[in-house]
Amino acid sequence: NAGVMQNPRHLVRRRGQEARLRCSPMKGHSHVYWYRQLPEEGLKFMVYLQKENIIDESGMPKERFSAEFPKEGPSILRIQQVVRGDSAAYFCASSRTSGRAMSTGELFFGEGSRLTVL
Amino acid sequence: GENVEQHPSTLSVQEGDSAVIKCTYSDSASNYFPWYKQELGKRPQLIIDIRSNVGEKKDQRIAVTLNKTAKHFSLHITETQPEDSAVYFCAATASGGGADGLTFGKGTHLIIQP
Repeated sequence: NAGVMQNPRHLVRRRGQEARLRCSPMKGHSHVYWYRQLPEEGLKFMVYLQKENIIDESGMPKERFSAEFPKEGPSILRIQQVVRGDSAAYFCASSRTSGRAMSTGELFFGEGSRLTVL
Repeated sequence: GENVEQHPSTLSVQEGDSAVIKCTYSDSASNYFPWYKQELGKRPQLIIDIRSNVGEKKDQRIAVTLNKTAKHFSLHITETQPEDSAVYFCAATASGGGADGLTFGKGTHLIIQP
């Protein structure tokens, strides 16, 4: 099992450009979560998706950020018109079961994508 | 929604001593409390978890305790070793209201002094 795969591991963008971060969950996992980690801070929940559905996006900024998890292919976190404050590590995690059944499932994290906005 | 507070933010202990990290949560409906260890530049990895139907769980040098009445839970590491140096995050389920992701504390940077 290859684990949760994220790419790119490092991404540099200039202000105003777009950033696309990809996440392939572990085999057999249909629940994907995106978290943002700022330097010296914890993991902030952004969005929770299942295949073709956004279940909860309460942690996503209202503008410029979007996420999808299509029927085929990886989940994508898209940041349009990036600003310096978007510089962070973005972690994807997957689980076999949903949050409400979290007592039976573990959240597995990818290695993260580190976005630097110049 | 759920709010998780974690203390201390930095903890330095001598090798061989014990370390204790404490967390409180706000949502009384939360029922799952994992702890993650993150080494520098690496992914967070689950080290131990506890569910609301037990008060304590132990795995070798690591133990977690849960007090549901007071809404706090703690991580205990005994006989600390240099490889225990990392950032530790507690978390709780964000149950109810739609958010199914874990809510994390801000982390504790554990430093093991040789």
